[in-house]
Amino acid sequence: QSVLTQPPSVSAAPGQKVTISCSGSSSNIGNNYVSWYQQLPGTAPRLLIYDNNERPSGIPDRFSGSRSGTSATLGITGLQTGDEADYYCGTWDNSLGTYVFGTGTKVTVL
Amino acid sequence: QVQLQESGPGLVKPSQTLSLTCTVSGGSISSGDYYWSWTRQPPGKGLEWIGYIYYSGGTYYNPSLKSRVSISVGTSKNQFSVKLSSVTAADTAVYYCARTRIAAAGQTYYFDYWGRGTLVTISS
Repeated sequence: QSVLTQPPSVSAAPGQKVTISCSGSSSNIGNNYVSWYQQLPGTAPRLLIYDNNERPSGIPDRFSGSRSGTSATLGITGLQTGDEADYYCGTWDNSLGTYVFGTGTKVTVL
Repeated sequence: QVQLQESGPGLVKPSQTLSLTCTVSGGSISSGDYYWSWTRQPPGKGLEWIGYIYYSGGTYYNPSLKSRVSISVGTSKNQFSVKLSSVTAADTAVYYCARTRIAAAGQTYYFDYWGRGTLVTISS
């Protein structure tokens, strides 16, 4: 069981907004930067957000990230059918001495 | 554009050693700006980081796998490899290699380019 907890699923209609939470502790999110990954069905993960809120080139600004205390949030606005995927947060855990991924959240576009 | 490609046997017998190679193109492993990681994903489950290697050969492994895993680098071929010994059915997974950025004393840590992944099944 991961030390980073995400809701199993979130859903919204096309054009709406969803947020995905990632809850951790002071040994991980509280002291290290968070990254977010999108995994479309049958494909490899893709980096969406790094350093809590930075977007790599090519990632639309519909995707945003934030961190507050020991939790992080991924926001997706203007939801599209192509956004249906699993989303994972990740960060280093100082206590475990390893990189940890969140439990994953499935986004469904209604 | 950096590309990574995993290769290796798709079927390994229990108790044997799993061996995979990642070939990097569009960038040099020896540039020193990045680390190179392996991550795996059991069918229908989440992601688990296995470990990383630096071009100079320095490694760091997930403590949960440390006793069984070894990552090596072949800079002349722009490749890096992973070996996992004494495998069981629990090691059945899609194995991904990824370019890894680590900075700010480890506070910054992310995977910016991934291979497509290769499924390794552990079965007799």
